[in-house]
Amino acid sequence: GAVVSQHPSWVICKSGTSVKIECRSLDFQATTMFWYRQFPKQSLMLMATSNEGSKATYEQGVEKDKFLINHASLTLSTLTVTSAHPEDSSFYICSAVLQGNTIYFGEGSWLTVV
Amino acid sequence: QKEVEQNSGPLSVPEGAIASLNCTYSDRGSQSFFWYRQYSGKSPELIMSIYSNGDKEDGRFTAQLNKASQYVSLLIRDSQPSDSATYLCAVTPTSGTYKYIFGTGTRLKVLA
Repeated sequence: GAVVSQHPSWVICKSGTSVKIECRSLDFQATTMFWYRQFPKQSLMLMATSNEGSKATYEQGVEKDKFLINHASLTLSTLTVTSAHPEDSSFYICSAVLQGNTIYFGEGSWLTVV
Repeated sequence: QKEVEQNSGPLSVPEGAIASLNCTYSDRGSQSFFWYRQYSGKSPELIMSIYSNGDKEDGRFTAQLNKASQYVSLLIRDSQPSDSATYLCAVTPTSGTYKYIFGTGTRLKVLA
């Protein structure tokens, strides 16, 4: 069964609005979660590392003020896309570390900004 | 620049054949190696992990690692149309962090 749950699976929002995506670890505590973005026919691009109780670490080129990450508990990390624009439309995937250093992915969230 | 390279494909194999997927990496000190399968529109799912040189078998899947050649492969025996997907190779760097470095993936087509 799934070990990482992501919600919503898909969301459509208007340009200029904000949208929040949740990532939960099921039956285990995840001090570290990761957020990826994937454009069609491209590989996963790591956006940021989410650390429970501290600030997220963003990859180069990722705007931290636009992609707000909160990891307030050991089982939940959220990604908020602020002031979304059509170019933010993408597949967003979270992941968490389990059993040493194996990463498991959430189901992903399709974001469409219109 | 750390890199993980895969042939983008598509790799087409007939049903029942062996599919061989290859991955090379540039960081000689890489610690852990993973193969993920990703169906179109879905998130990746873990197939195999391998940490030491040699072969590791799990059902129809065999991962092979050669650290001297900086090469990891995935063999799929008795390929099925349901195996048609993109296969991503992932490597953890020398630093041992959880920041996987992903290849761009190889698209596999199993022809019925």
